[in-house]
Amino acid sequence: GAVVSQHPSWVICKSGTSVKIECRSLDFQATTMFWYRQFPKQSLMLMATSNEGSKATYEQGVEKDKFLINHASLTLSTLTVTSAHPEDSSFYICSAPGDTDTQYFGPGTRLTVL
Amino acid sequence: SQQGEEDPQALSIQEGENATMNCSYKTSINNLQWYRQNSGRGLVHLILIRSNEREKHSGRLRVTLDTSKKSSSLLITASRAADTASYFCATDGDPSGSARQLTFGSGTQLTVLP
Repeated sequence: GAVVSQHPSWVICKSGTSVKIECRSLDFQATTMFWYRQFPKQSLMLMATSNEGSKATYEQGVEKDKFLINHASLTLSTLTVTSAHPEDSSFYICSAPGDTDTQYFGPGTRLTVL
Repeated sequence: SQQGEEDPQALSIQEGENATMNCSYKTSINNLQWYRQNSGRGLVHLILIRSNEREKHSGRLRVTLDTSKKSSSLLITASRAADTASYFCATDGDPSGSARQLTFGSGTQLTVLP
């Protein structure tokens, strides 16, 4: 079946630094990818929709200048958390829709900001 | 995006028993999906039920959908310790089906005791 990978699987960084997370569709093309954030013991909240060849669409309350999204190709979307702070510590998950109505989710990236 | 509600928030049962989780949502949908998430991991797609379907089976899983009540239930029969995980419902409500965004419920933490 379709596979979506994320890199890195976990990252620890100092406050104020930027962190880039990659989301790749390994055996299919994705003109659209989604980025979610999940805090401990909570559900997934959609942050933004990444669109290949155009700007990302951000959900209300998500700062586009803080969470930079670049859909560089049909198989790669990146999320850069700029000037990260401890409150940005979370589990970031991407997904890409397949040919059917299902979504394929990446394994997630655990971000810890010290 | 707004989340749906799931109940119970937590469910603890003995191995061999059945587990039932409920999900309610707020808007009209194209389909409703159930996902499983082990602690700290990505999501695994379990089953999808379309808005014109009322019941669907997959192995030990049974899903029902009542669009008039905007609710769904997931039944896991003959539970096993390995079923211990968080379970989320997610709705795909884009009328055009083009965005494919998912709105997740709050989740149910299932613990199956051996």
